[in-house]
Amino acid sequence: EVQLVESGGGLVKPGGSLRLSCTTSDFSFNTYTMTWVRQAPGRGLQWVSFIGSTGRYTKYADSVRGRFTISRDNARNTLYLYMDNLGGEDTAVYYCAKFGGRWEVDSWGQGTLVTVSS
Amino acid sequence: SYVLTQAPSVSVAPGQTASITCGGDNIAGKTVHWYQQKPGQAPVLVVYDDPYRPSGIPERISGSYSGDTATLTISRVEAGDEAGYYCQVWDNGGDHPVFGGGTKLTVL
Repeated sequence: EVQLVESGGGLVKPGGSLRLSCTTSDFSFNTYTMTWVRQAPGRGLQWVSFIGSTGRYTKYADSVRGRFTISRDNARNTLYLYMDNLGGEDTAVYYCAKFGGRWEVDSWGQGTLVTVSS
Repeated sequence: SYVLTQAPSVSVAPGQTASITCGGDNIAGKTVHWYQQKPGQAPVLVVYDDPYRPSGIPERISGSYSGDTATLTISRVEAGDEAGYYCQVWDNGGDHPVFGGGTKLTVL
């Protein structure tokens, strides 16, 4: 069974930075496009970023472009999200997730909470 | 950017049928996926590429299209179906996934 485990969340001050990690197992990590999806408290799902299987292609939501950087280490089966210049609007649970063959998100991590507050 | 519209809430009595809709321009020309999210849990894929279901998802959960609306139908609703439901498509123009705003299903 696919395993996705996020870490790195926590409390950060406005303007601060944080790096999330997602360790994966039990699937061929280096052949799948991976993504981050977030959910603000009491709100819906919002796509944040995705990265192609080799790491060469990345895409970001307008709300995070220029502040967030997605990356992956295929040798370590790990996905990352570096978040800079954080604001209150970035407070959310961040989910690491895997795309399936029809661009469905077929596997999700349990999520890691990022709280931006002074 | 492509927009998906969902009603914020739907209520249904146990044993009845719940219909959760997802509106979008020419949505019948897109591949629609549906997720269930229970409180405090990560989302779970329940229907992909309408009408396929991942293993372990019961047959009483199904998807369909009509015009500019995709519908997730849950037959013989149970208390355990109470959750948020989200539709999702791929925005070809923007080259990224788009989620609907979500519908909270309440079982009366």
